[in-house]
Amino acid sequence: DTAVSQTPKYLVTQMGNDKSIKCEQNLGHDTMYWYKQDSKKFLKIMFSYNNKELIINETVPNRFSPKSPDKAHLNLHINSLELGDSAVYFCASSQGHLGNTIYFGEGSWLTVV
Amino acid sequence: DQQVKQNSPSLSVQEGRISILNCDYTNSMFDYFLWYKKYPAEGPTFLISISSIKDKNEDGRFTVFLNKSAKHLSLHIVPSQPGDSAVYFCAASGSGNTPLVFGKGTRLSVIA
Repeated sequence: DTAVSQTPKYLVTQMGNDKSIKCEQNLGHDTMYWYKQDSKKFLKIMFSYNNKELIINETVPNRFSPKSPDKAHLNLHINSLELGDSAVYFCASSQGHLGNTIYFGEGSWLTVV
Repeated sequence: DQQVKQNSPSLSVQEGRISILNCDYTNSMFDYFLWYKKYPAEGPTFLISISSIKDKNEDGRFTVFLNKSAKHLSLHIVPSQPGDSAVYFCAASGSGNTPLVFGKGTRLSVIA
């Protein structure tokens, strides 16, 4: 009965590959996010969608493309993976956009070799 | 530019004693503050929050104090339990289209 679920949890892939991380929330929230926690442990927002509409797009390379087919899903597709993309990616959701309590998924550990 | 700072990367406390985790912020527009707890290999989970109209919010063993003039908040856990051992993230946001900004986290170890 996980509220925010993301798959895969662990992903090891080679440089240059394209990969996707899927996220689904069953909380009925209208806003979803992708956060990245890098090697320095900073948790930084990448994207935010409210009712399937992109409302935040931080300075993230174009190789990262989020897709929200509906309010309950926000997938992250990454093209041409680079070593520096290795990080933990957290999906999250909230009711109402921004400034509200957000609920995180368990994280997806991406390692690019 | 870190808008939310947790200057102590780690803290060790004896079981039963009080744990105090500190957080400073620089953006005076922040008006909502949260603490998240994170266990290894799991996502952060919401713990407690406080809005800028209050200076204290209590939930069981957890109390958050906000000092707006000092731009400082703290999380008190009393009594501390071994299961509280985790990384604690402070987060803040302002009204309008501003996302939550997180601190770097403080690793709390509660020693039995």
